[in-house]
Amino acid sequence: AQSVTQLDSQVPVFEEAPVELRCNYSSSVSVYLFWYVQYPNQGLQLLLKYLSGSTLVKGINGFEAEFNKSQTSFHLRKPSVHISDTAEYFCAVRSDGNSGGSNYKLTFGKGTLLTVNP
Amino acid sequence: DSGVTQTPKHLITATGQRVTLRCSPRSGDLSVYWYQQSLDQGLQFLIQYYNGEERAKGNILERFSAQQFPDLHSELNLSSLELGDSALYFCASSVGPAPLHFGNGTRLTVT
Repeated sequence: AQSVTQLDSQVPVFEEAPVELRCNYSSSVSVYLFWYVQYPNQGLQLLLKYLSGSTLVKGINGFEAEFNKSQTSFHLRKPSVHISDTAEYFCAVRSDGNSGGSNYKLTFGKGTLLTVNP
Repeated sequence: DSGVTQTPKHLITATGQRVTLRCSPRSGDLSVYWYQQSLDQGLQFLIQYYNGEERAKGNILERFSAQQFPDLHSELNLSSLELGDSALYFCASSVGPAPLHFGNGTRLTVT
């Protein structure tokens, strides 16, 4: 079984400040991790992913995340945020099921609402 | 644009009714996933289809059912609707182990 915990439900920051959105996961198998962003009244958009290789992953819009296996974490960071980054951010872990390699459902955290204030 | 199309965007109906939500996956994607998003439950996985066959089930109620057709589009059927079924329903698609690509969702309001 797998689960994702996003430690902060809301994170308010000022424009141009750095931000870190925290994500911890639990899984009994190899993990593949994702961050998605959801703007108001829109679907989820992939920000970045970790499948293998370098533990520091760079995504769109200046975001990056670091996979830390020993701490079972995948925190999302941005050095300087903009008003336009205000959105809900979801961390997700992928489960590889037993259906011949065709089951790739994601388990999502509860989300973190990032609010960037001027 | 994710390439995943969901219709309708909004749906308002009464308790006890039945509705059908439709999803067209990205071109070439064989897997379709349905998720329900509500304020109290967050994003909950409902069901997955792969090339027409059901592959995984999540927290899907017995009143809900889905199918994937030969052209790979999928429909989610919700029946005997209750107020608590009001939510945003997302469809996502993928090919192989690639990340999921989400549609913009159908907002269902049950009155």
